[in-house]
Amino acid sequence: DSGVTQTPKHLITATGQRVTLRCSPRSGDLSVYWYQQSLDQGLQFLIQYYNGEERAKGNILERFSAQQFPDLHSELNLSSLELGDSALYFCASSVAGVSAYNEQFFGPGTRLTVL
Amino acid sequence: AQKITQTQPGMFVQEKEAVTLDCTYDTSDPSYGLFWYKQPSSGEMIFLIYQGSYDQQNATEGRYSLNFQKARKSANLVISASQLGDSAMYFCAMREDQNNAGNMLTFGGGTRLMVKP
Repeated sequence: DSGVTQTPKHLITATGQRVTLRCSPRSGDLSVYWYQQSLDQGLQFLIQYYNGEERAKGNILERFSAQQFPDLHSELNLSSLELGDSALYFCASSVAGVSAYNEQFFGPGTRLTVL
Repeated sequence: AQKITQTQPGMFVQEKEAVTLDCTYDTSDPSYGLFWYKQPSSGEMIFLIYQGSYDQQNATEGRYSLNFQKARKSANLVISASQLGDSAMYFCAMREDQNNAGNMLTFGGGTRLMVKP
């Protein structure tokens, strides 16, 4: 158990819908990262928050947005869902947010299926 | 260009033998970190080992060791005395420090390791 929690574990929805994925980082970790794992794109970084502020952005679609709340939990919002958004979405957390060795601890993931 | 390349999509190893999973990387950043993660069929990502670009010695963690060859830009994972529970996907990842506002990781495509009894 990494200490990172993600809910829900599974999500099945229809095209055009909107969903929210939730992540609670390990106690004391200030950084939250979101990654998407799909069969065709592999594991891709989406976005990072550090202590409530956006720190880095990767290959995140405009239909996707995220935020980190004062209690440090984070939500990833996916809207106007398409079949291609079906993937395993990971949240990871680490202590710091700047260049340093700090291992990222991954949550169990949310498997999103868009029908 | 791919930043992280794992050329072995799948590998078999006999139980109790050692196995090497290949990883090559591409960066012009003098400061970077290399990570290996294990993803069992259950889906979670488990951190295995880390190597920093300035580390003089190869990293080791129990049965895992990292064969770091900086000039060749390779960071191969060696698993000694393979166990059935080692059957999983293995991902190599890199964190570049200079042009990386955060600590995002770039992942390779993974290698599926299957341990035969």
